[in-house]
Amino acid sequence: QQQVRQSPQSLTVWEGETAILNCSYEDSTFDYFPWYHQFPGESPALLIAIRPVSNKKEDGRFTIFFNKREKKFSLHIADSQPGDSATYFCAASTGNTGKLIFGLGTTLQVQP
Amino acid sequence: EAAVTQSPRSKVAVTGGKVTLSCHQTNNHDYMYWYRQDTGHGLRLIHYSYVADSTEKGDIPDGYKASRPSQENFSLILELASLSQTAVYFCASRPTGSNSDYTFGSGTRLLVI
Repeated sequence: QQQVRQSPQSLTVWEGETAILNCSYEDSTFDYFPWYHQFPGESPALLIAIRPVSNKKEDGRFTIFFNKREKKFSLHIADSQPGDSATYFCAASTGNTGKLIFGLGTTLQVQP
Repeated sequence: EAAVTQSPRSKVAVTGGKVTLSCHQTNNHDYMYWYRQDTGHGLRLIHYSYVADSTEKGDIPDGYKASRPSQENFSLILELASLSQTAVYFCASRPTGSNSDYTFGSGTRLLVI
């Protein structure tokens, strides 16, 4: 049973467009929602994260939109660049153990 | 610089053999985790530990053992390696306190033949 669902599986956008990656979750006790990106052959790296006390978190071109009622959150990448091409994972965790439950990933390709 | 170092970087193991993956952190973090990554499955938690000499089962612990002999070191042990355990394994550490970020190691690519 996948507790964190991610879509789409793959996404292609043109340079300069906004890429939108979506996630949903089931467990209402989740209280931390990070997004990671991963380049081929590398380990995942934290991009941006949000807690449910907020419904929006911005960091440069990256924005998380969070909807607690619908248990959904999304990552918007504005002005997408070819260097943003990577696999993006959403995740969720709860409590002090910090166990992250990852989505299956979205492979983003930004065409120049 | 705080870091998580995994060894080996890659390994080929024979089915039925014993495999030990090692992880060493210099972050002074209490929590350590082992995840495996397979194509199409994202990252899944195998074992984790929040203190030396204690380990906890994650979401997919079957076929794996873990050992945390010290705060710095956390090993993943495959007593009888199987083909299905071919994957990339990531170790990570995290300080105590909710919602703290992970520091991931570079990964170990394991091929079981």
